[in-house]
Amino acid sequence: NAGVTQTPKFRVLKTGQSMTLLCAQDMNHEYMYWYRQDPGMGLRLIHYSVGAGITDQGEVPNGYNVSRSTTEDFPLRLELAAPSQTSVYFCASSGPLSGNTIYFGEGSWLTVV
Amino acid sequence: KQEVTQIPAALSVPEGENLVLNCSFTDSAIYNLQWFRQDPGKGLTSLLLIQSSQREQTSGRLNASLDKSSGRSTLYIAASQPGDSATYLCAVRSRQAGTALIFGKGTTLSVSS
Repeated sequence: NAGVTQTPKFRVLKTGQSMTLLCAQDMNHEYMYWYRQDPGMGLRLIHYSVGAGITDQGEVPNGYNVSRSTTEDFPLRLELAAPSQTSVYFCASSGPLSGNTIYFGEGSWLTVV
Repeated sequence: KQEVTQIPAALSVPEGENLVLNCSFTDSAIYNLQWFRQDPGKGLTSLLLIQSSQREQTSGRLNASLDKSSGRSTLYIAASQPGDSATYLCAVRSRQAGTALIFGKGTTLSVSS
């Protein structure tokens, strides 16, 4: 019963470095999402995918890239990290039906110094 | 564009009090609405999910109502306890952004003993 698994849980990056946040789900869900959460801001959608090979931008996509080569995995790439990308990142997944529950990972805490 | 607003942003009550948290959304064409709880430094815990065809859902001391036509939901917490202290997030799922959940900024609740 792994559900949605995010790695790493905590990471400190230097400005300009690159890294990838990993997200994997074992529920055969078609839909996957990446959010970021900043103090007092709720969760904001970065990118989403409605199936393998299909990705699209959410509300705050700048500075982030995603890919969806398999149904299970949806990595989030930061190419040139900036202090403004210090945040908590949540990955989520869901089945294709609109009434399906969306399941969340436990979050990844990223600090860019 | 769907927007979700939560009022109040913060709330402090004495233990034992009944309380109501409010959520409003701008596009009434939603699939479902979900209430989450988030403790400091932690991930999201799903509390209640209301489908668009439903009017309310109950779980223990929690009751969530949905009035889709007016774009409103309330979360009622009965006999509040210090352990209820947390941030409560409201989110709606609609046709936008691959049916991603769109979140409000949350209400931070503090229950004093």
